[in-house]
Order: sequence, then C-alpha cells, then structure tokens
Amino acid sequence: AQSVSQHNHHVILSEAASLELGCNYSYGGTVNLFWYVQYPGQHLQLLLKYFSGDPLVKGIKGFEAEFIKSKFSFNLRKPSVQWSDTAEYFCAVGDDKIIFGKGTRLHILP
Amino acid sequence: GAGVSQSPSNKVTEKGKDVELRCDPISGHTALYWYRQSLGQGLEFLIYFQGNSAPDKSGLPSDRFSAERTGGSVSTLTIQRTQQEDSAVYLCASRDGITGELFFGEGSRLTVL
Repeated sequence: AQSVSQHNHHVILSEAASLELGCNYSYGGTVNLFWYVQYPGQHLQLLLKYFSGDPLVKGIKGFEAEFIKSKFSFNLRKPSVQWSDTAEYFCAVGDDKIIFGKGTRLHILP
Repeated sequence: GAGVSQSPSNKVTEKGKDVELRCDPISGHTALYWYRQSLGQGLEFLIYFQGNSAPDKSGLPSDRFSAERTGGSVSTLTIQRTQQEDSAVYLCASRDGITGELFFGEGSRLTVL
C-alpha cells in the first residue's frame, strides 16, 4: 500500500540552525517524490521534487532533499534556516495517485 | 485566472445538509485531485481524475462523498447528509502534465454545526 511517514510533527529551531525533516515512504510503483510547503495563510506550493536522475535535488529558498532508495527516504534539508521558513512542510509520493504525509510544523525563533 | 480556483472559500452548514464544493483547475491540466486537510491529519487523498479515464475514488471516506468532473475541466465534490466530522478544509489541485507539479487552490473551509 502507498504511504508516507513524516517523523517530526512539530519542530522548533532558532535562526541559522540546520534543518532536517524526515520522510519515509512505501510505494510499489514508479517513485515520484515531492516536498510541498504551506506558509501561514497561503496555499500549498512546491519546494522540490524527484522523478529520476541525481538523487540529491535542490529546490527553492535553499532547500534540498536526498532520495535514498535503500532506506525508502526523502529527507528535506536546509543548512541555515530563517524566520521566514516558519511553515508546514509536507512530503508526498506517487505516480498518478499522489499521497501526502501528515506534515511537519516548523517554527523558527527569531 | 492563472491559478486553481475553489468556491466557496467558506461554508457553514447544519448537520444533515448536503454541500457542493467547486474546483476550477488551471486550463490545460488534465489531472485533478481532491484532498481533505484537517488538524493533525495532513492531506488526506480523496479522489483523482485523469482525462477521460475512470476516476480513482479509493480515498472517499464514505458513500456520502462523491465527485464529478464535467467536460474534463470543472469538478464538484458533493457531501451528502453532512456530519460534524466532515468539518475540514477541502483542497483541490490540478497537475501540470509536463512538470508533474501539483498546483493547489486556496481551499474550501467547511464547518458542520
């Protein structure tokens, strides 16, 4: 069955700290992986995606994620977070039917 | 418009009433998705339309929920005999067939009293 697990439900960091949000998936088809972000009061938008090729993908605003097939993981990273990164982050997997995780609320302290 | 449009943005209804939520996708996007977002539950997949193919209804929580897509464009999600547990934000997304990216609307917030 297709599923996505995000390990951290709520993360609090200070500005300039490094960030890693975990995402593990279960999916038997072609693996397409996504990270979406929802800033307060805004709609969901794409941060980055992996379809094939280089397993280290770079997205907007300095975010990157690494697809590790052997671990069924697609963790999101950012070396130095900013207050404006406060948002909810969603990992998703799927080819046609796309399933999302329960999200991680990230709160950055100024 | 340039984005996915959903209406109404807010809907308050009484338990037992039927509601219809509308989604107008980005022109040219053949795939359309409905999700339900509630606190602590993330985005729950409801249904997916791709072109003229039969929709994937595997996420609909009960037979009170149905959706249709007319003419391959506008979609309507209908909830019959609403219950309080149906209260949530219902999100629609359409998908760019080239990039694979989902574009989300602002959502319809449903409150069942």
